[in-house]
Amino acid sequence: QQQVKQSPQSLIVQKGGISIINCAYENTAFDYFPWYQQFPGKGPALLIAIRPDVSEKKEGRFTISFNKSAKQFSLHIMDSQPGDSATYFCAASMSGSEKLVFGKGTKLTVNP
Amino acid sequence: DTGVSQNPRHKITKRGQNVTFRCDPISEHNRLYWYRQTLGQGPEFLTYFQNEAQLEKSRLLSDRFSAERPKGSFSTLEIQRTEQGDSAMYLCASSLGAGKNIQYFGAGTRLSVL
Repeated sequence: QQQVKQSPQSLIVQKGGISIINCAYENTAFDYFPWYQQFPGKGPALLIAIRPDVSEKKEGRFTISFNKSAKQFSLHIMDSQPGDSATYFCAASMSGSEKLVFGKGTKLTVNP
Repeated sequence: DTGVSQNPRHKITKRGQNVTFRCDPISEHNRLYWYRQTLGQGPEFLTYFQNEAQLEKSRLLSDRFSAERPKGSFSTLEIQRTEQGDSAMYLCASSLGAGKNIQYFGAGTRLSVL
């Protein structure tokens, strides 16, 4: 059973555009929602994370929007750059657990 | 290099053989995690150590899998009697302290079972 559903599977954006990746979850015990970025041949690296007590968190060009009632959260990449081309994973973790549950990933391609 | 180090980077083995992977976490990180990632999927949690204690194990970690962290520093993941379905990238991560601290991932060990 997939606990975190991520969409789209792939995304192509022009340089300077906005990339939006969405995730949905069912388990209301999740209390931590990180986004990871993975380049080919590398391990995932934390990009930005949010807890459900806030609705939005921004770090540079990256913003997480969180909708607790809808059990959805999304990553927005503003002014997308070719260097942002990577696979992005949303994840979630439950209170009292260190285990991260990952979505299936979104392969982002930013064309120059 | 002060990141999480995993060795070997690639391992090719025949079905039925045993394999062992090693993970060296970031210095002083007391928490260490193992994940498995197959093509086109996100990482799946396998197990987690706090110091030398193994505190969480996934049901994915069958009897053929065993992980150790004997001195609370490096960790090993052993797969016995490998099967073709074990082919995957095995990722190690580490973090410092309590709470939802950042998990820093290594580049992984890619296992191919022929």
